[in-house]
Amino acid sequence: GNSVTQMEGPVTLSEEAFLTINCTYTATGYPSLFWYVQYPGEGLQLLLKATKADDKGSNKGFEATYRKETTSFHLEKGSVQVSDSAVYFCAREDSGYALNFGKGTSLLVTP
Amino acid sequence: DARVTQTPRHKVTEMGQEVTMRCQPILGHNTVFWYRQTMMQGLELLAYFRNRAPLDDSGMPKDRFSAEMPDATLATLKIQPSEPRDSAVYFCASGLPTGGTGTGELFFGEGSRLTVL
Repeated sequence: GNSVTQMEGPVTLSEEAFLTINCTYTATGYPSLFWYVQYPGEGLQLLLKATKADDKGSNKGFEATYRKETTSFHLEKGSVQVSDSAVYFCAREDSGYALNFGKGTSLLVTP
Repeated sequence: DARVTQTPRHKVTEMGQEVTMRCQPILGHNTVFWYRQTMMQGLELLAYFRNRAPLDDSGMPKDRFSAEMPDATLATLKIQPSEPRDSAVYFCASGLPTGGTGTGELFFGEGSRLTVL
């Protein structure tokens, strides 16, 4: 069935390390794709999005490229900070504008 | 600063009790969602509304859960009777679809953490 699959966490990195969080999806057609971030005790916030194939979403140093060939939308950041510690969710837009979320990947960045 | 407001933030109750969670969406947003978050299942879509009309509630156990939007400023999620397996964080989110694709940002509340003993 249609789903969003993220790499299992937790991911632990040292400050200034390179980050990749993998996300793949299944879908008919080309749905919009999103990354949301959840800080402790808070709701989810939109980090970035891409609405069509080959689009690159970017925000706060994070990037993700919509790859239809590999049905992927991997999140990357060149140099993580302690303040990036959070849970990251990949999501696919379904019919009716609802979002189908992956299970989330916890990131811990240590000084 | 516009935000989605949820109450209560925390609720501890006993099995069999009725629980009502409330959400005030951002003014002007016409689409409201209820999600449930657990460690095992992640984020599950329970139900959502557009212009106060229910569009989909297939993710919701019908025998004990009900969701309504009495007016544009209030969405409610009710569980009666509650069970321990309902323990989770319940998020409300609102948004305003843009253009023909409906692609837009969802704004989430801080969640209602429910514990059923």
